[in-house]
Amino acid sequence: EVQLVESGGALVQPGGSLRVSCVASGFSFSRYWMSWVRQAPGKGLEWVANIKQDGSEKNYVDSVKGRFTISRDNAKDSLYLQMNSLRAEDTAVYFCAKYRDFCFDYWGQGTLVTVSS
Amino acid sequence: QSALTQLRSVSGSPGQSVTISCTGTGSDVGGYNYVSWYQQHPGKAPKLMIYDVNKRPSGVPDRFSGSKSDNTASLTISGLQGEDEADYFCCSYAGKFTNYVFGTGTKVTVL
Repeated sequence: EVQLVESGGALVQPGGSLRVSCVASGFSFSRYWMSWVRQAPGKGLEWVANIKQDGSEKNYVDSVKGRFTISRDNAKDSLYLQMNSLRAEDTAVYFCAKYRDFCFDYWGQGTLVTVSS
Repeated sequence: QSALTQLRSVSGSPGQSVTISCTGTGSDVGGYNYVSWYQQHPGKAPKLMIYDVNKRPSGVPDRFSGSKSDNTASLTISGLQGEDEADYFCCSYAGKFTNYVFGTGTKVTVL
C-alpha cells in the first residue's frame, strides 16, 4: 500500500524559514518524480514544485522561485521542501504527491504551515 | 498562470447524474490531453479519479467519467451516491515552464 506521510509544519513568522518532509513507503520511491502541492485555508489546490527521480531536474511555480527548494534522499525514501523568506500567502496545507504520467496518483494527508506574526 | 475555472457548486439527488466543467485555455486544457480530476472530502487528502482526460485508475467506480472539448474538460458522475459528496478539482498540464494548473474547485452536494 502506497503511503506518504508529511511532517514539519509549524507556525512561522514572516520572513522565516521552515523545512517540511515526506516519507514514502509501499512503492519504489527512487523510480518516480515527486511533487509538492499546497492548499490555502478554504481555497483550491496549487502545484508548488516537482523533482526528477535522481534530483537532477526541479521545477517551481513562479511565486516560490528563489525562495523554496525541493530535494529528495532516495536512500531514506524522503522528499523535502525547504521554504525561506516565508510570506503570509504561503500559509497552506502542504501535500506530498507521487507523480506519474502527468497526474498525481497518490497524496499524503498534508502538513499545515502557518505564516503569521 | 490563472487557475482553471470551475463552478463553485453543483447538486443532485441520489441516482441522478451531475457534470462538472473545467474551463482553461489553449495553453493548458486545450493544448494537451493531460487533464486529471481529484476528489477531496473535508480534511482529507485528494484522491485521483480520472487521468489523461478519460481514464480511470484501478478502484475508481465506472460511475465517474471524463471528457474534453476544446478548452473545457468535464467530469460526469452517474448514479450519484451519498459518498460522492465532496470537492472536485480538475488539473491540467500546461507545458514545460508552467507545469500544472489546478481548477478552482466544485463542491458536489447530494440532496
